Amino acid sequence: GAGVSQTPSNKVTEKGKYVELRCDPISGHTALYWYRQSLGQGPEFLIYFQGTGAADDSGLPNDRFFAVRPEGSVSTLKIQRTERGDSAVYLCASMREQGGTEAFFGQGTRLTVV
Amino acid sequence: GQSLEQPSEVTAVEGAIVQINCTYQTSGFYGLSWYQQHDGGAPTFLSYNALDGLEETGRFSSFLSRSDSYGYLLLQELQMKDSASYFCAVSGSGGSYIPTFGRGTSLIVHP
Repeated sequence: GAGVSQTPSNKVTEKGKYVELRCDPISGHTALYWYRQSLGQGPEFLIYFQGTGAADDSGLPNDRFFAVRPEGSVSTLKIQRTERGDSAVYLCASMREQGGTEAFFGQGTRLTVV
Repeated sequence: GQSLEQPSEVTAVEGAIVQINCTYQTSGFYGLSWYQQHDGGAPTFLSYNALDGLEETGRFSSFLSRSDSYGYLLLQELQMKDSASYFCAVSGSGGSYIPTFGRGTSLIVHP
């Protein structure tokens, strides 16, 4: 596609529910990042994929968060037993390759846990 | 680990020049980048500096001093549409290419 696509754009869920957020990166980009952004803050790193493998998941806050990228393109961020503190905008970004200088961001998924 | 500091807010008038500073602490360094984000929008890439000096791209320029762990974004001929948040991001800590972002600077341009 022309840019990074994220779906859904908005998600409202009840506390305790499971959610999946999808990211479709720019075709051919091997590096994919998930970030979380709260109001008035910068993007906070969650997890980085190089190809199909999670090269760095040190930013995942706890084991309720998990992400996959099975075929090296689309990625899904999965959050179990959601909590109100998980409410934020979840951003996905891709780069042409590891060590690239320009990250291309999607519009994000605004997650609200009620 | 790494940390970045930038002013929380900067105001200026249309047509003016404004400089947004960024200081960082990191255990390793590959480069400093800048992103612009309008309210409700996606961060968009502005510039990347790996070496010391000034990089110019149209009305925007970015400067880096690795010895001072310092950089800035310079915006000239400010326009109303430049009102946005600006983030610096550093990569290289622990040999990682993952960009770590600062908290952002809200630029408000007045007519």
